[in-house]
Amino acid sequence: NAGVTQTPKFQVLKTGQSMTLQCAQDMNHNSMYWYRQDPGMGLRLIYYSASEGTTDKGEVPNGYNVSRLNKREFSLRLESAAPSQTSVYFCASRSGGTGANVLTFGAGSRLTVL
Amino acid sequence: SQQGEEDPQALSIQEGENATMNCSYKTSINNLQWYRQNSGRGLVHLILIRSNEREKHSGRLRVTLDTSKKSSSLLITASRAADTASYFCATDLWSNYQLIWGAGTKLIIKP
Repeated sequence: NAGVTQTPKFQVLKTGQSMTLQCAQDMNHNSMYWYRQDPGMGLRLIYYSASEGTTDKGEVPNGYNVSRLNKREFSLRLESAAPSQTSVYFCASRSGGTGANVLTFGAGSRLTVL
Repeated sequence: SQQGEEDPQALSIQEGENATMNCSYKTSINNLQWYRQNSGRGLVHLILIRSNEREKHSGRLRVTLDTSKKSSSLLITASRAADTASYFCATDLWSNYQLIWGAGTKLIIKP
């Protein structure tokens, strides 16, 4: 099994450009998450989807939108990229929102906004 | 805001020594999880300890949880070069779907 697959792995954007980060999981997980990781900091939650058809804001949602396309796929969109969005983005999934279950992460997408 | 705080922020030890890192949190939890992140990679789950457990082992890893002090520790025994990584704790709350993350401990194992 591939687990969680993110694309692209690297992207350079100019300020004001838009892009979509794609995430897909093949583990039949209900919940999916988008995090950003900045140097010296832990993970900060951008958006999550507790189950297919639902999405909720996390800690740092401004400047982002998400789509839970189906149970497998959860995309993150930057409509007008800003240098403050330069970061490494991680998608993750887990089988259920509550209870003792753990996250499976993708390999990350490194985004640079010039 | 982050609930978990980890210390030390960085730790450098000789291969073969034990490494201990700590995590503190602020509110009641369902469970606490530890993850490892190798440089440039995604996070990988290591071990989960539930709120009604005090200690858990997995291979060379030992995790303790003290809910009265709202703290946890991760001990890696007989460290190896391959243990060089950043280690994060995450608390799983009762009330929502989110994990709350600490800033991580960067562990360097010197050969």
